[in-house]
Amino acid sequence: GESVGLHLPTLSVQEGDNSIINCAYSNSASDYFIWYKQESGKGPQFIIDIRSNMDKRQGQRVTVLLNKTVKHLSLQIAATQPGDSAVYFCAETPSGAGSYQLTFGKGTKLSVIP
Amino acid sequence: DAGVTQSPTHLIKTRGQHVTLRCSPISGHKSVSWYQQVLGQGPQFIFQYYEKEERGRGNFPDRFSARQFPNYSSELNVNALLLGDSALYLCASSFSRAGYTFGSGTRLTVV
Repeated sequence: GESVGLHLPTLSVQEGDNSIINCAYSNSASDYFIWYKQESGKGPQFIIDIRSNMDKRQGQRVTVLLNKTVKHLSLQIAATQPGDSAVYFCAETPSGAGSYQLTFGKGTKLSVIP
Repeated sequence: DAGVTQSPTHLIKTRGQHVTLRCSPISGHKSVSWYQQVLGQGPQFIFQYYEKEERGRGNFPDRFSARQFPNYSSELNVNALLLGDSALYLCASSFSRAGYTFGSGTRLTVV
């Protein structure tokens, strides 16, 4: 079936470097995408979202890029900090009134080396 | 402001037993969704409720059921527990697609 997946299961970066986490999706009906951060023992925490009518969206130290042609999503974290260490999930939801169902990828574990 | 609260935080049950998990949404949120997260994987959608009506159901057996109360809180029930039901059960509340907020979950262990 259609699903959201990630290219890299683990990522180690040096503190201060930039991090890039990738995600591929296959549901062409998806029109809203969200990145979540999940720390150990906690629920997923919203980071940033993007709608399918956009290619790029920036937040504080984070940027999400959407390439609809190849159905690819990425999360860029600038100046990665130890507190960024966590598992990152991309999630998608299709269009449609009341469609609140999220489909998550498997996650990428980000480890920040001090 | 209180976030999404779930209870209990941890639970150990025996195979074949029944379990009820509870969720209180953020004030003003009328939609509650339930997700199952097996260790090492992303959350999987179980149910969504909006205004006390089921709006969506994931690929889970009929042993799983849920309901939403007039105050928008929700319960997830699982009957005839299996070892494979061991997971983190997450509740999320929202007022729109853009407003999803997750609780910290209930860790269920079936032995």
